[in-house]
Amino acid sequence: QQQVKQSPQSLIVQKGGISIINCAYENTAFDYFPWYQQFPGKGPALLIAIRPDVSEKKEGRFTISFNKSAKQFSLHIMDSQPGDSATYFCAATETSGSRLTFGEGTQLTVNP
Amino acid sequence: DTEVTQTPKHLVMGMTNKKSLKCEQHMGHRAMYWYKQKAKKPPELMFVYSYEKLSINESVPSRFSPECPNSSLLNLHLHALQPEDSALYLCASSQGVHTDTEAFFGQGTRLTVV
Repeated sequence: QQQVKQSPQSLIVQKGGISIINCAYENTAFDYFPWYQQFPGKGPALLIAIRPDVSEKKEGRFTISFNKSAKQFSLHIMDSQPGDSATYFCAATETSGSRLTFGEGTQLTVNP
Repeated sequence: DTEVTQTPKHLVMGMTNKKSLKCEQHMGHRAMYWYKQKAKKPPELMFVYSYEKLSINESVPSRFSPECPNSSLLNLHLHALQPEDSALYLCASSQGVHTDTEAFFGQGTRLTVV
């Protein structure tokens, strides 16, 4: 059972545009939602994370929006740059547990 | 130092070989993880070590054998693997086992089983 659904599978954006990646979850016990960025040949790296007690978190050009009632959260990348081209994974977990549940990933390409 | 170091970076092994993957961190993290990642897929959790003790084994076949010699090192011993075991093997560590602490991933070992 896939507990975190991520869309789109791939995304092409022009430089300077806004990239939006969406995730939806089913398990209402999830209480921590990180996003990971992975470049080819590298391991994933934590980009930004949010807890359900806030609706939005911003770090530089990266913003997470969170809708607890809809069980959805999204990543917005403002002023997208070619260097942002990577695979992005949303994830969710119960902080009382030990497992991250990953979404299937979004391959982002930012064209110059 | 926020680095998790994995060796080797690439490994080709036959189905009858025995090899080991190594992982090292010096951040004082007490939780360490092995993940398997297939191309264009998310990482899949294999094992979790907490305070050098195996706390989670995600029903991984016995041909994969983890070992945590000390708080900085994590090994994955491989024996009699199958071609479908070819993947990127990622090591990660975090301050505590609860996953709201940032997990730092290594670059991975690209394993090919022939």
